[in-house]
Amino acid sequence: GQQVMQIPQYQHVQEGEDFTTYCNSSTTLSNIQWYKQRPGGHPVFLIQLVKSGEVKKQKRLTFQFGEAKKNSSLHITATQTTDVGTYFCAGADAGNNRKLIWGLGTSLAVNP
Amino acid sequence: GAVVSQHPSWVICKSGTSVKIECRSLDFQATTMFWYRQFPKQSLMLMATSNEGSKATYEQGVEKDKFLINHASLTLSTLTVTSAHPEDSSFYICSARDRARGSQPQHFGDGTRLSIL
Repeated sequence: GQQVMQIPQYQHVQEGEDFTTYCNSSTTLSNIQWYKQRPGGHPVFLIQLVKSGEVKKQKRLTFQFGEAKKNSSLHITATQTTDVGTYFCAGADAGNNRKLIWGLGTSLAVNP
Repeated sequence: GAVVSQHPSWVICKSGTSVKIECRSLDFQATTMFWYRQFPKQSLMLMATSNEGSKATYEQGVEKDKFLINHASLTLSTLTVTSAHPEDSSFYICSARDRARGSQPQHFGDGTRLSIL
């Protein structure tokens, strides 16, 4: 079946270090979305990427969508303690745009 | 904007009890809502897609007679866990998409922590 693999599963960084999480889909996606879930909270939408090779930035966060629309990455520059949480990618299948295929998430811990 | 309210936040009840969870879109209309289940430190597992005015679409392995879904209006979907048992204890989250804004993104409720004793 359709899968979205996300690595790494966990990441510990020192405050100020950079962080990257990667997602790879087994199928071509119509779009990919990124969500952040703080401990004890619910997922919060961060961004959606639609175009092949698209790059979007939100302050210290940079999101990329691969040329083949099968992979994506989220890069955080100079992490802060407020970045702590689990980051999920979720892909919308090109054939069924309604349902999202979720990655397993990357849990980020930031040491002050 | 795009607020989704989920109620209740916490439920603790005895085995055999049926529990109803409500998911409301407060400031937009949602023809499609989604029900997820999440175990500690794990990803979201889609249980079913709730469609306004029609039957829900359940994912493989999810018992539709166990998890009853009703989506009677454009702003409300309910999930009823029937005759709940300890193995049903989990974090249940709903999400909804704004009909006016197309198919993406999903806006999540705060979730319901269900504990069955």
